[in-house]
Amino acid sequence: GQNIDQPTEMTATEGAIVQINCTYQTSGFNGLFWYQQHAGEAPTFLSYNVLDGLEEKGRFSSFLSRSKGYSYLLLKELQMKDSASYLCATGYSTLTFGKGTMLLVSP
Amino acid sequence: DTAVSQTPKYLVTQMGNDKSIKCEQNLGHDTMYWYKQDSKKFLKIMFSYNNKELIINETVPNRFSPKSPDKAHLNLHINSLELGDSAVYFCASSQDQRATQYFGPGTRLTVL
Repeated sequence: GQNIDQPTEMTATEGAIVQINCTYQTSGFNGLFWYQQHAGEAPTFLSYNVLDGLEEKGRFSSFLSRSKGYSYLLLKELQMKDSASYLCATGYSTLTFGKGTMLLVSP
Repeated sequence: DTAVSQTPKYLVTQMGNDKSIKCEQNLGHDTMYWYKQDSKKFLKIMFSYNNKELIINETVPNRFSPKSPDKAHLNLHINSLELGDSAVYFCASSQDQRATQYFGPGTRLTVL
């Protein structure tokens, strides 16, 4: 089975950097996904890691350590529009999602 | 231009009724999914279809019946609706079972 843990809520200020952690235990692994979900909207794909290390995509980066069952999403130069829920997901034949981390960015 | 679309966006109905939600994707993907997101925002897989064939059926009451007439469509029919079925239902698709999934806009179902 799959078990995914991430913090429920985080707060940060505009312009800052925030790191959202995710730990997982899985019986099969085919990569780790991060999705962003604004209130009332669909999840949208942010990043995918299948090998250890850091993947950078603009203001967002994602890191994976398969041996530790650990990933993080790093958001730089935070903007108000980054206030959303961030979902970590992994699995083998199907994705299991974490419960999401609600990030609130304040001025 | 819409990649994954669902209808209706909102659905309000009485307990005991039967309703359907439709999903279509124009991405040429082989795999489609239905997810349920409850009031606590927990997103849970319900069904997965690959090339019109059911491949994943999580523990879902058999009042829920997915139907895939072709690989671009995956509809969800729900019989005898219950209060606990109130949630947002998301359709998604991916190139194959392990690829990135793209979500539809969701259908907010409210059962009164």
